Amino acid sequence: QKEVEQDPGPLSVPEGAIVSLNCTYSNSAFQYFMWYRQYSRKGPELLMYTYSSGNKEDGRFTAQVDKSSKYISLFIRDSQPSDSATYLCAMSSTSGTYKYIFGTGTRLKVLA
Amino acid sequence: SQTIHQWPATLVQPVGSPLSLECTVEGTSNPNLYWYRQAAGRGLQLLFYSVGIGQISSEVPQNLSASRPQDRQFILSSKKLLLSDSGFYLCAWRGESYTFGSGTRLTVV
Repeated sequence: QKEVEQDPGPLSVPEGAIVSLNCTYSNSAFQYFMWYRQYSRKGPELLMYTYSSGNKEDGRFTAQVDKSSKYISLFIRDSQPSDSATYLCAMSSTSGTYKYIFGTGTRLKVLA
Repeated sequence: SQTIHQWPATLVQPVGSPLSLECTVEGTSNPNLYWYRQAAGRGLQLLFYSVGIGQISSEVPQNLSASRPQDRQFILSSKKLLLSDSGFYLCAWRGESYTFGSGTRLTVV
């Protein structure tokens, strides 16, 4: 079993839809959770950074962490064609660690 | 603000040829630097990381090596490329989280 599991998609939604992207993990020591967005042929860029359980909101994006279920989610409200990208989750056990574990990414297509 | 530069963006090399990919960081000193490889369906694989000049740690034994000749310069190299070295190579530095460069798409033919 991989430490982090992420559905590769592609996930296609109409413009304006609410998108839910998810990752599950097996290591209960993970405490820091990140979501990255990666456009085609570009490097990933950080979208959300959360610590421990709970929700964090930034504009149209909400990150949710459920440590009891070892499950994290990224919600995108009012999705736009410009949101079409691959979304990677990442996590680590400590803030100072060099090693993040990344999911394989979910490819999202928002149709105009 | 900190910026990270990576080049070239695209590279096509024959099997057996050498490789040198360069990454530089601006706006910070003594950064922790990383080389990742991204393959389709396999996510990001950490290859090397460096906490200072001349200090390199290898995560995965392979046909590649890394060097850090200057504080803000990180180089990924190979003496003889294999077909399996094809992929998307990303340099990153770590602040609160990772900041990635724009990547190099390497195709070994």
